[in-house]
Amino acid sequence: DTAVSQTPKYLVTQMGNDKSIKCEQNLGHDTMYWYKQDSKKFLKIMFSYNNKELIINETVPNRFSPKSPDKAHLNLHINSLELGDSAVYFCASGDRGFGTQYFGPGTRLLVL
Amino acid sequence: AQTVTQSQPEMSVQEAETVTLSCTYDTSESNYYLFWYKQPPSRQMILVIRQEAYKQQNATENRFSVNFQKAAKSFSLKISDSQLGDTAMYFCAFTRVASGGGADGLTFGKGTHLIIQP
Repeated sequence: DTAVSQTPKYLVTQMGNDKSIKCEQNLGHDTMYWYKQDSKKFLKIMFSYNNKELIINETVPNRFSPKSPDKAHLNLHINSLELGDSAVYFCASGDRGFGTQYFGPGTRLLVL
Repeated sequence: AQTVTQSQPEMSVQEAETVTLSCTYDTSESNYYLFWYKQPPSRQMILVIRQEAYKQQNATENRFSVNFQKAAKSFSLKISDSQLGDTAMYFCAFTRVASGGGADGLTFGKGTHLIIQP
C-alpha cells in the first residue's frame, strides 16, 4: 500500500487556468505538508496542516490555497496559473511530535 | 530563521568507496531534528537517516551513518561501501521542535548530487 499518494503525477496546463493536486496519506499521521521544488531542485515548505488546522503558511501567493477535508487528505488548489508556478510539488505527512516526514511521489506541474 | 548549507554541489566516487557529504546549519534553537533525504532520478524523496539534537550518539542505518557535531552545527553523512543505487541527490534538512512539542516544516539545503561510478 502506498503511504503518501498524490494525483496527478504530471500536469500540463495553460497560463490562467485553475488546477488542483490531491494528496492522501494512510499512515495515520496528524500533520500534512506541501513543498515546492523549483528547477534548481531547491525544496521549500509552502503549507502545513495539523488535524485540519493550518499551522504554517509561508510566503506563498494567495492564488495557492490548501484544503484539508480530513486528517488523511490535503489538497492544493492553484488559481490563475503562471509560468513561474512550473515546479514539482510534494505532499508529505508526519507526526509533529516526531519530526520525520514521509513524502509522496511528487506532481510535476508545467504551465505553458 | 534556520538555514542549512551544503557546500558540495556534486561529488563522484567509485563503487565500494566511502564518501562523506557535508552539511552545516544555523539555528538558535536547542531542540531540533536533522535528516538526510535521498532523491534518485525517480524523484521520490526517501528518508535516509534521522538525528535528534538532544542525543549525543550518532545515528546509523546500515551503510549510512552521521557525524553530528552540535557545537559546530555540523551534520555530515557517511556512506560506506557505496553502491550504484546510491547515485542520487542528497538533501540535508532541519526542523525545530516548536513550542507545544510539535515539529515544524523542514528547511532543506540545496542538495549534493552524488554519482557512484562503476
